[in-house]
Amino acid sequence: NAGVTQTPKFRVLKTGQSMTLLCAQDMNHEYMYWYRQDPGMGLRLIHYSVGEGTTAKGEVPDGYNVSRLKKQNFLLGLESAAPSQTSVYFCASNDMTHLAGYTFGSGTRLTVV
Amino acid sequence: RKEVEQDPGPFNVPEGATVAFNCTYSNSASQSFFWYRQDCRKEPKLLMSVYSSGNEDGRFTAQLNRASQYISLLIRDSKLSDSATYLCVVSLSGGYNKLIFGAGTRLAVHP
Repeated sequence: NAGVTQTPKFRVLKTGQSMTLLCAQDMNHEYMYWYRQDPGMGLRLIHYSVGEGTTAKGEVPDGYNVSRLKKQNFLLGLESAAPSQTSVYFCASNDMTHLAGYTFGSGTRLTVV
Repeated sequence: RKEVEQDPGPFNVPEGATVAFNCTYSNSASQSFFWYRQDCRKEPKLLMSVYSSGNEDGRFTAQLNRASQYISLLIRDSKLSDSATYLCVVSLSGGYNKLIFGAGTRLAVHP
């Protein structure tokens, strides 16, 4: 019963490098989300998906791209990393009911130098 | 103005104390309300949903005041293990279940 799994857990990038964060869920959830968490600011929505093959922009989408080719996977890409993207990234999923909370992955700590 | 506002704390309380956290939200269209708990360097986890009539789960009581756009969490008989950051979360109406997170209130319970 893995829930939501994120890889990698830690990563250090140089400015300008690219990388992909992987999120996988085994709960057959339709909705998946990528958030970033910075000190004093709470979690901010980057992109989300309401089903396989669909993606949409959240509050802070610039500098990120996403793909949802399979229902269980939601990928977050950084094409050209910047120091401002240093953050903790959380993936989450849930079913379609408003009363259900999110299940979060354990997070990816990304540092861009 | 932030959509969900919380006092960042920290609230430093002794074991056994009762502590209350408050939260205000700006969007009157908000439909659902939650408290999440986040331990240091861990992911947020759902603590409890908040219902209009108020609800209780063991030592935890949540209240919602839609007219004032105000949510509260009361913790009775605090334990050392309650030390964490508590996130106030609201869900907006719309075609997907978007959650808006407050920045959190930090609680430290000491012996």
